[in-house]
Amino acid sequence: SSELTQDPAVSVALGQTVRITCQGDSLRSYYASWYQQKPGQAPVLVIYDKDNRPSGIPDRFSGSRSGNTASLTITGAQAEDEADYYCNSRDSSGNPYVIFGGGTKLAVL
Amino acid sequence: QVQMQESGPGLLRPSETLSLTCTVSGGSISSSTYYWAWIRQPPGKGLEWIGTIYYSDTYNNPSLKSRVTTSVDTSMNQFSLKLSSVTAADTAVYYCARLFMDYYYYYMDVWGKGTTVIVSS
Repeated sequence: SSELTQDPAVSVALGQTVRITCQGDSLRSYYASWYQQKPGQAPVLVIYDKDNRPSGIPDRFSGSRSGNTASLTITGAQAEDEADYYCNSRDSSGNPYVIFGGGTKLAVL
Repeated sequence: QVQMQESGPGLLRPSETLSLTCTVSGGSISSSTYYWAWIRQPPGKGLEWIGTIYYSDTYNNPSLKSRVTTSVDTSMNQFSLKLSSVTAADTAVYYCARLFMDYYYYYMDVWGKGTTVIVSS
């Protein structure tokens, strides 16, 4: 199965813009989805398909893809955005397998 | 609003079989739109997909394939996970989730709160 690579940690100043990236061969063919996970809680879907947000997710969250890299951008990061972020996609083999990135810990300073 | 809840033993001994059930409320597990998935997260680590079930079709993580069995009970609106021959490496929080699978994208839009499973002698 294929892999998705994320930076382990990223920081952003309060109110600034941050991009969290996810790299992998599968992203040349398939779109990434993104999840936010706060300590002790289940993950929450924040972006799916190309750049869609579930109901209740602020519009400061957006997604994009270029080549083998998917990005989650938070425009105007808030203190409550401090969390772990995971990407996932379909496995590049074409099998209906789910793969996750290793996660990025976002610190809002 | 669909909600999901995992249940099952929290403590296992090595070599035993882990058995978990996910109860779906607020929606039908027989929906033709969604698949149903198990994901786990070892302490301090990232998310790992375990397997997916859609009616009688199952897809399992190749790294766990031979140890994983999933099933659906439509009468109870539940689906289940069995993981055989557990070791300490299977200690994790186990989540069930509703999975949408399109050719180009997969996403899990509803998650259970998770249940902690510890494997220890």
